[in-house]
Amino acid sequence: KNEVEQSPQNLTAQEGEFITINCSYSVGISALHWLQQHPGGGIVSLFMLSSGKKKHGRLIATINIQEKHSSLHITASHPRDSAVYICAALKTSYDKVIFGPGTSLSVIP
Amino acid sequence: NAGVTQTPKFQVLKTGQSMTLQCAQDMNHEYMSWYRQDPGMGLRLIHYSVGAGITDQGEVPNGYNVSRSTTEDFPLRLLSAAPSQTSVYFCASRPIRQGGYGYTFGSGTRLTVV
Repeated sequence: KNEVEQSPQNLTAQEGEFITINCSYSVGISALHWLQQHPGGGIVSLFMLSSGKKKHGRLIATINIQEKHSSLHITASHPRDSAVYICAALKTSYDKVIFGPGTSLSVIP
Repeated sequence: NAGVTQTPKFQVLKTGQSMTLQCAQDMNHEYMSWYRQDPGMGLRLIHYSVGAGITDQGEVPNGYNVSRSTTEDFPLRLLSAAPSQTSVYFCASRPIRQGGYGYTFGSGTRLTVV
């Protein structure tokens, strides 16, 4: 069993839909990262969370430390949101990161 | 512009050749790391460093060497290239302290070993 899992693996949505991507982990962590990888290959860091909730534009990330679960929400989805979304768990600031397998999102006009 | 500069963007090597992928950051981040990404697979950590003079192995370190003589630079050396090392390589940095957005990634190096 992978230490960091994501669901769904693939997701197709209509433009404007509310999207949720889930990440669950089995290890104790100090922080969880959400990354976005564009079709061209570039990787951008979206959020780093250690508790609660963060919001940036149409993106919202939440984390429940007790349940070892994080979610990434996209409101009013747009075709430019089409990308692979990756969660990554960090045990300590000095430690290795453990990546989830990624969720491939396609938003159709 | 502040960020992670990774070179080259593309490289073709013959089996047995050696080369160095360069990574430099100007954000004074303590943590730097190298990853490879293969089709259908997620990012896998090769080596990482938490500061100058300190490096450690990741998940797939065999065939690669790193050093960290300065805070800014973290080169990845392929000792004797093999076709199995054909991949896309990413360098990334982040501050050790919590806060901010975490990682800053380089633009990637697409390496083909023939």
